[in-house]
Amino acid sequence: LAKTTQPISMDSYEGQEVNITCSHNNIATNDYITWYQQFPSQGPRFIIQGYKTKVTNEVASLFIPADRKSSTLSLPRVSLSDTAVYYCLALTGTASKLTFGTGTRLQVTL
Amino acid sequence: NAGVTQTPKFQVLKTGQSMTLQCAQDMNHNSMYWYRQDPGMGLRLIYYSASEGTTDKGEVPNGYNVSRLNKREFSLRLESAAPSQTSVYFCASSEAGGDEKLFFGSGTQLSVL
Repeated sequence: LAKTTQPISMDSYEGQEVNITCSHNNIATNDYITWYQQFPSQGPRFIIQGYKTKVTNEVASLFIPADRKSSTLSLPRVSLSDTAVYYCLALTGTASKLTFGTGTRLQVTL
Repeated sequence: NAGVTQTPKFQVLKTGQSMTLQCAQDMNHNSMYWYRQDPGMGLRLIYYSASEGTTDKGEVPNGYNVSRLNKREFSLRLESAAPSQTSVYFCASSEAGGDEKLFFGSGTQLSVL
């Protein structure tokens, strides 16, 4: 399981775009990059997953450069309800080793 | 559409007591997981079950036992609770156990005095 590194915390104002970058220098060829969101007192929730280039869904976009050593989760026009912890994982069918790091704590204010 | 249901939501134990955390999913998923989350920490995998009848240790299995009762249910047992097991416990499930998405329950907050 590739080790991932992401900022401990980020602050943003409501309405701004937020980009959270995750480093995964030793990512394996078959690893997918997956992001989860966790609100206080809740379990994590799947946000988005990708292998390379760009993936977009109704919640976020995920940008993965060609070397795949990093990825960026982009949240457009954040609101107060986007205040949460965001986890980046790189994994490849090895769920028995699937461990979340400490994530990035995003605080959105008015 | 309940998803992953955990019971109880809160529990207080005395050191040495035993208890079982229950988890059930209604998505017909093959794989189920138990995690613990300590304050300010990420989630750490305790045990994992790839399919009915199989279980595997995760990162922090000591002090815990699990039972995959059937495809729907995966229970976590603390035989002799210790204060170090005070934590929030999350159960999760996925279709096959790999790079697909995990679905989490709402958690059980356990305090061991």
